Amino acid sequence: DTGVSQNPRHKITKRGQNVTFRCDPISEHNRLYWYRQTLGQGPEFLTYFQNEAQLEKSRLLSDRFSAERPKGSFSTLEIQRTEQGDSAMYLCASSLRGEQYFGPGTRLTVT
Amino acid sequence: AQSVTQLGSHVSVSEGALVLLRCNYSSSVPPYLFWYVQYPNQGLQLLLKYTTGATLVKGINGFEAEFKKSETSFHLTKPSAHMSDAAEYFCAVSDLGASSASKIIFGSGTRLSIRP
Repeated sequence: DTGVSQNPRHKITKRGQNVTFRCDPISEHNRLYWYRQTLGQGPEFLTYFQNEAQLEKSRLLSDRFSAERPKGSFSTLEIQRTEQGDSAMYLCASSLRGEQYFGPGTRLTVT
Repeated sequence: AQSVTQLGSHVSVSEGALVLLRCNYSSSVPPYLFWYVQYPNQGLQLLLKYTTGATLVKGINGFEAEFKKSETSFHLTKPSAHMSDAAEYFCAVSDLGASSASKIIFGSGTRLSIRP
């Protein structure tokens, strides 16, 4: 069990560019969550997958955001036309029954 | 809707002193409650959780928390602070329970500093 991994760990991009983050959950965990954490705040729920199905999306997830989990294993989160307000830590978590295990996060800085 | 309020964005205690981090929640259904710790540039680690049963919950690293329904509180304590306890602590609530797929609602966090 190597834990939840996220890549890249850090991403700096210019406003208007597209970025994609990857999350690899713990093997055999069927549930995968994305959260966003801004400076000085707690994580906020973005979206959730059970296997490959995206079952819930927060209203925080604007139409510039899209998440996929094509084979029910890893997941990607894409942000199109990034804005400075998108600067945050993006956290991924996975679970099998109950407890969510968090990855180290991807820190996005939009300049 | 559920929410969590953490009283005090920053708490500073001396090494060896009692740690008390305050958390109050709001929930229209029986809550499941969590405390997470986050070290710099790392993800969240679960310290402890309350689901059902015993209201005093013991976690890792000597931390414990007590669920008080009448006060809608879930304060985190540790009898004797250690330098390694310096981190950000998040209280969180979930509505459908730890065995479900429910999202977690987090408080805004309390930064714990330890004075030598």
